[in-house]
Amino acid sequence: GAVVSQHPSWVICKSGTSVKIECRSLDFQATTMFWYRQFPKQSLMLMATSNEGSKATYEQGVEKDKFLINHASLTLSTLTVTSAHPEDSSFYICSARDPVSTQYFGPGTRLTVT
Amino acid sequence: SQQGEEDPQALSIQEGENATMNCSYKTSINNLQWYRQNSGRGLVHLILIRSNEREKHSGRLRVTLDTSKKSSSLLITASRAADTASYFCATDDQGAQKLVFGQGTRLTINP
Repeated sequence: GAVVSQHPSWVICKSGTSVKIECRSLDFQATTMFWYRQFPKQSLMLMATSNEGSKATYEQGVEKDKFLINHASLTLSTLTVTSAHPEDSSFYICSARDPVSTQYFGPGTRLTVT
Repeated sequence: SQQGEEDPQALSIQEGENATMNCSYKTSINNLQWYRQNSGRGLVHLILIRSNEREKHSGRLRVTLDTSKKSSSLLITASRAADTASYFCATDDQGAQKLVFGQGTRLTINP
């Protein structure tokens, strides 16, 4: 089956620094990718929809200047958390939609901001 | 944004018993999916039911969908300790073409 990878799987950074998370579709082209955030014991919250070659669409309440999304190719989307703060510590999960609209999820990236 | 609610929020049963989780949603949908997530891990896709289907089976899983009530249920029969996880429903919003998750049910199977 289709595979979506994320890198890194976990990252620890200091407050004020920026962190980039990569999401790749390994065996299909994804014109649309999605970024979710999950706090402990909570559900996945959709942050933004990433469209190849165009600007991302952010959900209400998500700061686009803080969470920069780049979908530069049909197999790669990146999420950059800028000027990270401890409250940004979370589990970030991406998903990629294949040409027949099936959505595949990555394994997630655990971000800890100290 | 969250599509709807799941109940119960937490469920603890004995191994061998059946577990039923419910999901409600708000908008018109193309399909509804159920996922499992072990603590701190990624999502595992369990089953997809389309809006024109009423019931679907996969192994020990049985999913029902009632579009008139905008609700779905997931039944796990003959539960096992390995079924301990969080279970989420997700709907493919017909208008927005994005997958939105319910709040989830934390299932604990006691040996």
